[in-house]
Amino acid sequence: DIQMTQSPSSLSASVGDRVTITCRASQGIRNDLGWYQQKPGKVPNRLIYAASTLHSGVPSRFSGSGFGTEFTLTISSLQPEDFATYYCVQHHSYPPFFGGGTRVEIK
Amino acid sequence: EVQLVESGGGLVQPGGSLRLSCAASGFTFSSYDMHWVRQGTGKGLEWVSGVGVDGDPYYPDSAQGRFIISRENAKNSVYLQMNSLRAGDTAVYYCVRSYGMDVWGQGTTVTVSS
Repeated sequence: DIQMTQSPSSLSASVGDRVTITCRASQGIRNDLGWYQQKPGKVPNRLIYAASTLHSGVPSRFSGSGFGTEFTLTISSLQPEDFATYYCVQHHSYPPFFGGGTRVEIK
Repeated sequence: EVQLVESGGGLVQPGGSLRLSCAASGFTFSSYDMHWVRQGTGKGLEWVSGVGVDGDPYYPDSAQGRFIISRENAKNSVYLQMNSLRAGDTAVYYCVRSYGMDVWGQGTTVTVSS
């Protein structure tokens, strides 16, 4: 199975900050990776697919990069509505595996 | 509008069974593989099972034969039969479209407790 290690598990940031979250795959997954945002009590929403393609309607301050084993989600200027938990998931091979999540909190 | 609506969750005793259903609308259901993902309270996301367009099922090792996924294209529906339920299966269960997980239902809550 391909495992995903996500870091950090939590971070504190201020509105306007640049935030970076990383996911590392235990083996190469090409660009078969998605990023999701989940707010408390809500359904996860896809932000990015194919590692770097923005899902329809997602603000351009979100971006993704990476290929193979190292992937990054960047929020260029954190907004109040971005405080949430973020997950990566690999869908290169079964079973799909989610990272452990990164909780982004207000500093 | 693309929509997935889950049903069938509830309270069940350890060792019991439940059958979850997911009704899809707004897209050509038969053209997509479908999945179930769960989330325990305060925990992360965990893939539970998937079914291909041809009906082939996929499971993680942890399912250990307790869960059975199926689909019925004529009814635009996917099902998850869960047997020998344990406390650790307590979670919100989401129905999800495609391996790329682009569309999620609102979830149905399963509580396993005596």
